[in-house]
Amino acid sequence: QVQLVQSGAEVKKPGASVKISCKASGYSFSSHAMHWVRQAPGQRLEWMGWINPDNGNTKYSHKFQGRVTITRDTSARTVYMELSSLRFEDTAVFYCARDLFWFDPWGQGTLVTVSS
Amino acid sequence: EIVLTQSPATLSLSPGERATLSCRASQSVRTFLAWYQQRPGQVPRLLIFDASNRATGVPARFSGSGSGTDFTLTISSLEPEDFAVYYCQQRSNGLTFGGGTKVEIK
Repeated sequence: QVQLVQSGAEVKKPGASVKISCKASGYSFSSHAMHWVRQAPGQRLEWMGWINPDNGNTKYSHKFQGRVTITRDTSARTVYMELSSLRFEDTAVFYCARDLFWFDPWGQGTLVTVSS
Repeated sequence: EIVLTQSPATLSLSPGERATLSCRASQSVRTFLAWYQQRPGQVPRLLIFDASNRATGVPARFSGSGSGTDFTLTISSLEPEDFAVYYCQQRSNGLTFGGGTKVEIK
């Protein structure tokens, strides 16, 4: 079945960067874009950006532009999301989600805690 | 950016009751709207896409309606596993989510 498995929880200091992975299985990896979504405590879901695994093209939300980089390794069927210049308010769960125009399925989520 | 406003923020109902959730867009999104369910401690799950189509495996008690700026998710008779947070999402212009409606047990 289609599965997205993300890397484990991270604790980072303010100003640092974090890189999260999302490994896909059960479908043609290059056929569907992959999105990243942030869910901060008590906040709404926020779309961060997406990548076309076939050609590596990306599109980022204006809110995260300049701080987020999404890449992929097609041989490993894995997409990565790196967020830099971390702030306390970046403490959140980050999800990858496959693009079927809508998001289905979602990865299990990766908790990133920004703490001094 | 299109803003999605969900109401009410919290809906307190008993199992077997009907739930009606609203999602209003700041400008028309035609029918480019989806609903997701997020149970406590779980991952969001696609329920409804294109405003009114149930995703694979979604029970028939879930239905979506609306177009333009006003949308509704209806759960005809609440089951225990339906108590969760529901988010709407638009993809007509950019990509945004609503703030969510929590359906809790009364």
